[in-house]
Amino acid sequence: GAVVSQHPSWVICKSGTSVKIECRSLDFQATTMFWYRQFPKQSLMLMATSNEGSKATYEQGVEKDKFLINHASLTLSTLTVTSAHPEDSSFYICSARDESRGNQPQHFGDGTRLSIL
Amino acid sequence: AQSVTQPDIHITVSEGASLELRCNYSYGATPYLFWYVQSPGQGLQLLLKYFSGDTLVQGIKGFEAEFKRSQSSFNLRKPSVHWSDAAEYFCAVGAKAAGNKLTFGGGTRVLVKP
Repeated sequence: GAVVSQHPSWVICKSGTSVKIECRSLDFQATTMFWYRQFPKQSLMLMATSNEGSKATYEQGVEKDKFLINHASLTLSTLTVTSAHPEDSSFYICSARDESRGNQPQHFGDGTRLSIL
Repeated sequence: AQSVTQPDIHITVSEGASLELRCNYSYGATPYLFWYVQSPGQGLQLLLKYFSGDTLVQGIKGFEAEFKRSQSSFNLRKPSVHWSDAAEYFCAVGAKAAGNKLTFGGGTRVLVKP
């Protein structure tokens, strides 16, 4: 079945550093991937749609210069949190679907817990 | 715009009892509907999905859901819960016309009493 791998699963870093999170589709290709953010005890909020070979589409209120998205291949999207600060601490989750097989659900990575000190 | 409401924030159920989680959606056309489950610190696992056809959908782990267009609902049910069903459950709506983006409900946390 469709599998989405996300790495790293946990990051702790100092304020001001940049952090890159990878999202890979392991057994299918995805021209579109999605990045979500989840605060403790809350639901998932869509941050942006990652488009292979073109610019990402950001949801209203999401700073595109803060959250850089690159989708350089059909199996890899990256989210870079630039100059991270404590308020960026959160759980980040990506998703993708197998677009070659008609109606298919989104499959999610295991998430990345980001803690900024 | 799509929206999803899960009216129950928490539900406590005894092991072996039945479970029903409510989900109401708002969308102009026929939506795609999903239920996902999330254990603490984990990603989301798909329980079941509805795209079209039979409105009663069977999923994994003994779960089922019924799409009721007239009520704009997609409630999740399980006849007999197990302690391992304790988790956070999310209902989500998507649509091809919306680029397959998902909009999630606020989630329902299920606690299972022994």
